Amino acid sequence: NAGVTQTPKFRILKIGQSMTLQCAQDMNHNYMYWYRQDPGMGLKLIYYSVGAGITDKGEVPNGYNVSRSTTEDFPLRLELAAPSQTSVYFCASSRSGGAAGELFFGEGSRLTVL
Amino acid sequence: AQSVSQHNHHVILSEAASLELGCNYSYGGTVNLFWYVQYPGQHLQLLLKYFSGDPLVKGIKGFEAEFIKSKFSFNLRKPSVQWSDTAEYFCAVNEVNDMRFGAGTRLTVKP
Repeated sequence: NAGVTQTPKFRILKIGQSMTLQCAQDMNHNYMYWYRQDPGMGLKLIYYSVGAGITDKGEVPNGYNVSRSTTEDFPLRLELAAPSQTSVYFCASSRSGGAAGELFFGEGSRLTVL
Repeated sequence: AQSVSQHNHHVILSEAASLELGCNYSYGGTVNLFWYVQYPGQHLQLLLKYFSGDPLVKGIKGFEAEFIKSKFSFNLRKPSVQWSDTAEYFCAVNEVNDMRFGAGTRLTVKP
């Protein structure tokens, strides 16, 4: 009963490097989300997906890319890491949007860009 | 898209004190409202949610929240807090497909 699994849990990047944060869910949820959490700022939505093959931008998409080739997986790509991307990243899923939109979160990935 | 305001950044209470955390969203319409909690070192989990019907909703661990449509508010309450309630609390609104969160309120309960 894994729920939402994120990897890696911790990562240090140098400026300009690229990496992918992995997210997988085993609940057959259609909706998946990526958030970043910064101290005092709460959670900001980066990208979300309402199903395989469909993605959309959230509040803070610049510097990130996503894909959703399967229902289970929703990787987040950072192409040219910048110090402003130092944050804790959370992946979440939900059965649907709207009234059934309770989110189930992963444990987070702490990224530091130096 | 909706935005969410949480009025209190950090609240410090003694055990057995009553709690009320404020939350407002930006405009009317059909919205779904949530409170999530993040205990130290853990990921976010759902406390309670409002979709429709009775504007007073009850959640886990003795928490409740009241939806006041005219004020665009969804305040969280608990009559008597415990040390184990020390956590960060996030209000969230789901209008269509995305979920937007407030900045969070850190609650510290002194034993």
